[in-house]
Amino acid sequence: SYVLTQPPSLSVAPGKTARITCGGTNIGSKSVHWYHQKPGQAPVLVIKYDRDRPSGIPERFSGSNSVNTATLTISRVEAGDEADYYCQVWDSSSARGVFGGGTKLTVL
Amino acid sequence: EVQLVESGGGLVQPGGSLRLSCAASGFSFSTYWMTWVRQAPGKGLEWVANIRQDGGEKYYVDSVKGRFTISRDNAKNSLCLQMDSLRGEDTAVYYCARDMVPFESWGQGTLVTVSS
Repeated sequence: SYVLTQPPSLSVAPGKTARITCGGTNIGSKSVHWYHQKPGQAPVLVIKYDRDRPSGIPERFSGSNSVNTATLTISRVEAGDEADYYCQVWDSSSARGVFGGGTKLTVL
Repeated sequence: EVQLVESGGGLVQPGGSLRLSCAASGFSFSTYWMTWVRQAPGKGLEWVANIRQDGGEKYYVDSVKGRFTISRDNAKNSLCLQMDSLRGEDTAVYYCARDMVPFESWGQGTLVTVSS
């Protein structure tokens, strides 16, 4: 089955840039979606189809996807960005949805 | 406004059954794939199952195949997950989500606890 690998944690100072990676074999050929989730809340979609922002998501959030790594970039990090972040793809070969293990973003 | 409201969670003994429901409103339910996602306590998100608009295609994660059944009633704008032969590792918050991917809308989740 298809596996997505994320770093378990990332710490960033306010105002700096956070880059959260999502690794997968030939992930560049798939569409990657990103969610954030705060404690006790449902996940929220922040990037869809590699780089598109849903309405209401700040321009500080951006995405890219190439070869074996997709990246979620959060510019000018704020305290409110502290959350767990998950990447996701649809693996058409197995007809299964797949989530990465999640990255806990801590704002110092 | 899109709304997804799950219900039916609770405490159940290992080997028992539970039926989750998701009431949908604010969109044309019959035109969307629908999905169940779960999250064990302190763990990450896990895709569980999804169902095509007409119910003609259904897919499951291997760990629930043969034990869980996803279904829908388009006339009632309702999604269901019948869970049988429950195990401790099925303990989780279960979310319903709109579409195959990506999930722009989620419910608030319902907690299922499998324990004796």
